[in-house]
Amino acid sequence: EAQVTQNPRYLITVTGKKLTVTCSQNMNHEYMSWYRQDPGLGLRQIYYSMNVEVTDKGDVPEGYKVSRKEKRNFPLILESPSPNQTSLYFCASSASGRETQYFGPGTRLLVL
Amino acid sequence: DAKTTQPPSMDCAEGRAANLPCNHSTISGNEYVYWYRQIHSQGPQYIIHGLKNNETNEMASLIITEDRKSSTLILPHATLRDTAVYYCIVRVFQGAQKLVFGQGTRLTINP
Repeated sequence: EAQVTQNPRYLITVTGKKLTVTCSQNMNHEYMSWYRQDPGLGLRQIYYSMNVEVTDKGDVPEGYKVSRKEKRNFPLILESPSPNQTSLYFCASSASGRETQYFGPGTRLLVL
Repeated sequence: DAKTTQPPSMDCAEGRAANLPCNHSTISGNEYVYWYRQIHSQGPQYIIHGLKNNETNEMASLIITEDRKSSTLILPHATLRDTAVYYCIVRVFQGAQKLVFGQGTRLTINP
């Protein structure tokens, strides 16, 4: 089954404790992206990757890092999480040249 | 990318057609109209997209006006599982594939 998976689905952590949210897709997609969703602000793009080793900032990249060492994986790294990064995070992927983006199930993060 | 305007909420009876409007008066000639929906904090789900011709797939129909300044998403026989927030997005087909989500329309299907 074609899908985007994220882990963990729920996470409670404390300020400053590094964490990684994993994202994996099994559709051989070249493009992958991270969004965060906050009440009243909609979904906003954090980072995206056009291919392996090619990443770029989205609209709200501050406080986040990403890497794309393999085509299928696109982890989101919070080196020093802060309470304002409490949010619902979505990973998405799409094939190059096609516009249908497939979204993962979401990761709900609470930073205390 | 052009901005879109959607009503914040709509209701529809189960089994009836749900018609969701979207205004995009500043749309450019090379921008497509996309529709996604999000069911209760799940990941957004692609529904349909089009440029200027009407489109239909197994989920919905998309009607785009001739001047392309507005469009309507039609769910022909709405079910309770269609209750969701529906997002209308306009963007070019190529380039960085960012989706700009507005506030969308919260569609409630009533039994």
